[in-house]
Amino acid sequence: EPEVTQTPSHQVTQMGQEVILRCVPISNHLYFYWYRQILGQKVEFLVSFYNNEISEKSEIFDDQFSVERPDGSNFTLKIRSTKLEDSAMYFCASSEAKGTHGDQPQHFGDGTRLSIL
Amino acid sequence: AQSVAQPEDQVNVAEGNPLTVKCTYSVSGNPYLFWYVQYPNRGLQFLLKYITGDNLVKGSYGFEAEFNKSQTSFHLKKPSALVSDSALYFCAVRDGDAGNNRKLIWGLGTSLAVNP
Repeated sequence: EPEVTQTPSHQVTQMGQEVILRCVPISNHLYFYWYRQILGQKVEFLVSFYNNEISEKSEIFDDQFSVERPDGSNFTLKIRSTKLEDSAMYFCASSEAKGTHGDQPQHFGDGTRLSIL
Repeated sequence: AQSVAQPEDQVNVAEGNPLTVKCTYSVSGNPYLFWYVQYPNRGLQFLLKYITGDNLVKGSYGFEAEFNKSQTSFHLKKPSALVSDSALYFCAVRDGDAGNNRKLIWGLGTSLAVNP
């Protein structure tokens, strides 16, 4: 069964440094997402991406964050200047475009654990 | 505002017994409801969804869930629990009237422990 893959599985970065989290969505999917989960807290929506542009973003997704689909397979999340509170598990997800108004389930990768020192 | 509540942090059940993991939701439009499971060091794995139609939906690994509009609930059930069902279970909702805005709102998760 096709999977969403995320790299690296664990990223340790100094505060203030830039970090790029990478994701390869399922190949025929057209909607892409990033979520994060701070330890002990809820999974939080960050951003969704469709047709080469952001379709929705949360208040968490400020100017420090950006997403990109640099080629036909990768989907990246960049944090420009990391803060201690960015430490979390970051999940990438993708879903098919077919069906009406998002009734196709989102399929998740195993996540990248980001630790900011 | 949209929200999901999973009132139990942990559910313990003996193997072979039925299990229920509770979820209630609040959404302004039509609720699209999902259950996901997370095993240790793994991502969120889709179990089942309710979009429309029959209130009882069946999913992977013998799980099912019942949509109850009047109680705004979507409890996850399984008639006979297995030790291998032990994991973290998440309920999520999105507003089905929100067009292409597909963000999921998540509960805090319920840890299911099935004892042999």
